[in-house]
Amino acid sequence: DAGVIQSPRHEVTEMGQEVTLRCKPISGHNSLFWYRQTMMRGLELLIYFNNNVPIDDSGMPEDRFSAKMPNASFSTLKIQPSEPRDSAVYFCASSPRTTGANVLTFGAGSRLTVL
Amino acid sequence: AQSVTQLDSQVPVFEEAPVELRCNYSSSVSVYLFWYVQYPNQGLQLLLKYLSGSTLVKGINGFEAEFNKSQTSFHLRKPSVHISDTAEYFCAVSDPDPYGKLTFGQGTILTVHP
Repeated sequence: DAGVIQSPRHEVTEMGQEVTLRCKPISGHNSLFWYRQTMMRGLELLIYFNNNVPIDDSGMPEDRFSAKMPNASFSTLKIQPSEPRDSAVYFCASSPRTTGANVLTFGAGSRLTVL
Repeated sequence: AQSVTQLDSQVPVFEEAPVELRCNYSSSVSVYLFWYVQYPNQGLQLLLKYLSGSTLVKGINGFEAEFNKSQTSFHLRKPSVHISDTAEYFCAVSDPDPYGKLTFGQGTILTVHP
């Protein structure tokens, strides 16, 4: 299994531009999570899906952020318009829907720099 | 809401010395506990997890952790560290919900010196 695949690995953009981050979860995993990592705030949960349905988006910082999961093998996190304070590493993680605890498997992350 | 406190932001240690990374959590319900490791420019990798049963949990790379319910702690230990253990370590807690949502601590940077 290739694991959780994120793209792009690095993105540098200018303030005001639209940014789209992509994630392919592990095949067969039913839950998908988007986290953001910054020095100041650590790892924050932005939104998570189960069976392609958003369950909780209370961590999404502003209306500029949106996430979709059109099918079981693909999710996007979009920022429009982007701002310098959005600079962070964005991680996608997936987990299987089984009884007991679900272990999250993380992608390598997308490092976003907004100038 | 759950919270996780990692008591040390940085831990320097010499190679082959023992190390303990401290983690306390706050929750009024039963929880699942995890330690993840993050090497530079990489994602998070699971080290070990506590779900139930024995309070001493063994993980990969020689790490272990002990769940202490009365002290709401889940400290990570290794009896002898290597240079390759240099990384950032995250403690995380999850309610026993079906989705596996995790709340993370702020992380502890372990630096192993030769």
